[in-house]
Formats: sequence, structure tokens, C-alpha cells
Amino acid sequence: DIVMTQSPDSLAVSLGERATINCKSSQSVLYSSDNKNYLGWYQQKPGQPPKLLIYWASTRESGVPDRFSGSGSGTDFTLTISSLQAEDVAVYYCQQYFSTYTFGQGTKLEIK
Amino acid sequence: QVQLVQSGSELKKPGASVKVSCKASGSRFTGYAMNWVRQAPGQGLEWMGWINTNTGNPTYAQGFTGRFVFSLDTSVSTAYLQISSLKAEDTAVYYCASGGNCSSASCDEGYFDSWGQGTLVTVSS
Repeated sequence: DIVMTQSPDSLAVSLGERATINCKSSQSVLYSSDNKNYLGWYQQKPGQPPKLLIYWASTRESGVPDRFSGSGSGTDFTLTISSLQAEDVAVYYCQQYFSTYTFGQGTKLEIK
Repeated sequence: QVQLVQSGSELKKPGASVKVSCKASGSRFTGYAMNWVRQAPGQGLEWMGWINTNTGNPTYAQGFTGRFVFSLDTSVSTAYLQISSLKAEDTAVYYCASGGNCSSASCDEGYFDSWGQGTLVTVSS
């Protein structure tokens, strides 16, 4: 199975500042035949289901604010929130869908 | 995009069974994989497996064989998760989520673009 490891486990950022969450996969999730990274990012607020933010590592889901962006390829990926808003407090998960599915352990984002 | 609505919370005794439903609307019910994801209290997300909405063929992740059964009733656009011989460690929120395209033969992996609201199953004597 592909293991997904996120860093850090928790993060405190001031309002308006940049937040960066990293995700590393134990093997590449880049599919050579279509040159796509099979990697998604989800946001989960307390008491709510996860919400898809980013798919194919860098494509923003419809309706997701443009302060959220995804980058990376192969085994190393990053979710960036360019200017943290109060409503962004949540736990963020990466997920690989290259070979069945596995999620990272989650990163808890709080306001400093 | 499909909308998914799950059944309500359940309180069960150890050894009992539970059946969680996930009703789809807003889009056709077939053609994709319905996935099940478990989230234990205060823990992360764990993929349990999927069911092919074209064929009803289930695929179970490691650790979710034997006591866990996925099924469909296409006449009411509903997927089900049944757990038998419940244990305290089955206490969790269970989510259904659509993701991945399916043919009559198999399903491909895909991101989870729609999620149910979750069903809390509590197992306690």
C-alpha cells in the first residue's frame, strides 16, 4: 500500500499569513500514461464531512477560493493557503488515488 | 454532481449488527464507485472499500473483510454498509463518498467529489 505522510501534524498561522502543508507519498503517484498526479486535498471542519479542495495535485475544485493552491509531483506535494482566513481553521488531508486509496494522517490548522 | 444523504446515528450493543444507508440524488446512480470511509473518534480517514454501482460488485480494503458488507438497491438509488458482530472498536463515523468511474467490468480510482454527511455508529453495552 502507498503510505501518505503529512507534515506538520499541526500548524498555527496568523490571519492573513501563508499556511503551507506538505504531503509525501511512499511511491510516486504520477501516472506516466496521462502525466497526472493522482493526489487530492480535502478540508474537514469539526462535525462536517471532508470537502474536496484540490484534485490532480493542482486543480482547484469548483467554488474553492483561489487562496487555496496545490503543487508538487511524483512523491512530494504541498497545499498552500496564501492568506489565512478564520474560516480556514480545519483539518486538512491529502489522499492518493493512484492505487486504491490512502489518506495522510491529517494536519490541524489553527489561528495563531 | 451527486448529493448523498446518509441514515441517522445508531447505538448498538456488542455483537449486534447495523446497516447504514446512503441515498444518492441529483445525478444518475450508476457509473461510479460508491466508497465507504471510516473515521474513529478523534482520528483520521480510513478507506474501507467501494462498490461498483453498475454491477454491485464490492471491493474491500484490508481490514474490512468478513464482517463488512456493501450492497446496493438501485431502485431507490441507495447504497448500504452492513457491519455484523459489532465490537467497541467499530465505534466511528462512517461516510459514503462517490469517486472513480466504473464500467461493467471494473472501477478506476478517482477523487471523492461528493460525501454523505456521515453516520455515527456507537457500540456500547
